[in-house]
Order: sequence, then C-alpha cells, then structure tokens
Amino acid sequence: EIVLTQSPGTLSLSPGERVTLSCRASQSFSSRNLAWYQQKPGQAPRLLIYSASSRATGIPDRFTGSGSGTDFTLTISRLEPEDFAVYYCQHYGGSLYTFGQGTKLEMK
Amino acid sequence: QVQLVESGGGVVQPGGSLRLSCAASGFAVSSYGMLWVRQAPGKGLEWVAVTWSDGINKYYPDSVKGRFTISRDNSRNTLFLEMNSLRVEDTAIYYCVRGGVAAGIQGADHWGQGTLVTVSS
Repeated sequence: EIVLTQSPGTLSLSPGERVTLSCRASQSFSSRNLAWYQQKPGQAPRLLIYSASSRATGIPDRFTGSGSGTDFTLTISRLEPEDFAVYYCQHYGGSLYTFGQGTKLEMK
Repeated sequence: QVQLVESGGGVVQPGGSLRLSCAASGFAVSSYGMLWVRQAPGKGLEWVAVTWSDGINKYYPDSVKGRFTISRDNSRNTLFLEMNSLRVEDTAIYYCVRGGVAAGIQGADHWGQGTLVTVSS
C-alpha cells in the first residue's frame, strides 16, 4: 500500500508569493499516476495536474507540477486570492487511488 | 457538458444500509472508469471504490472492503454505491467522480457536488 504524505499541513502566505507544496510517497511509483487537486470550502475538488506535470483543462500556467519516484511537488508561481484553498495529491491508477492528507493555503 | 448528480444520502443507523446513485450526463459511464470518494466533516479526501471502464475490475480500500459495492447501469447511465454494515465513521459527503483515462487524463476529471451520509443512532 502506498501512503502519500503532504507537507506542510498549513501555510500562511500573501498574494503574489511563490509557494511549493510537497507530496512524498512511501514507495516509488510512476509519475503517470500522480495527480493534484484543489478544494475550496463548500465545493467539490477540482483536478489541477495529472501525470505529475500536465495541467488539466482551464488551469492557469502559474500552477506547475513536477517530480518523480517518491517526491512530487506543486508550485504556484504567484498566488492569486482565489488560490487560497486546500490541495491534495493522489496516486491515481491500478488498484490504488489514495490521497494525501492535504495542505491548506491560508491568507496571511 | 459532463454532469454528475448524486442522490440517496441521508441518515441511517449503525449497521444499516444505504444505496447511493449518481446520474451521469454528457458522457457514457460505460466508457469511463468511475469512482466514489468521500470526505468526513472537516477531514480530507478518501477513495472508497473504483470501477474500471471494463466494468469487471473493481477495487476498494480496506476500510470499506466487503461492506461497499460499486456498480453501474449502462442503460440508465448511472453509477451506484451499495453500502452495508454502516459505521459511525462512514459519515461523510460522498462524491461521484469520473476517471479521465478514456480522455487521456490520468486523474479524476469531473466531480459531482456530493451527497451527505450520516450514520448515527
């Protein structure tokens, strides 16, 4: 079983700042199977990134995913007010669709 | 336009059963992998069931294995989640989710708005 650990749990930042979120896996897997989601309060999650680095439809290019093996990251180059939300990584594929516990971005 | 509309949530006693439905439109459920994902109040996301597009391969995490069953009715373009032996810890919003592999997307590309299941005596 693959366990995904996201860090940090919460980040307090200001609009315009750059941020990098981490997702670390308990064992190595193909980057094809790593996805990132954004969830705002009271809303369903939204797919941001799939296959570790491909942006989903309509996702702005300030969102960048990268990584391989056990270490994956999501970078937001310049935070916009609408980016303050909770972010989840997920192993997607095969018999396993596990999520990380999430990282909350809050406005300072 | 892809739409997923869940129904069937409600309040049930521990040990009881519930069947969730997800009416899909804008695509054929028979052509896509489909998932159920839940979120307990104030908590993170937890995958609870997946069915591949072949309708044969189905997987569950240990937390629900043997109690939950995912199925679909292609003629009604509807996904189901049969939940038995419900526990207090199954209380959550349950989301119906489309897997995007058939569209070349290795991820859950469309989500419903969710239906709330409360397990309480």
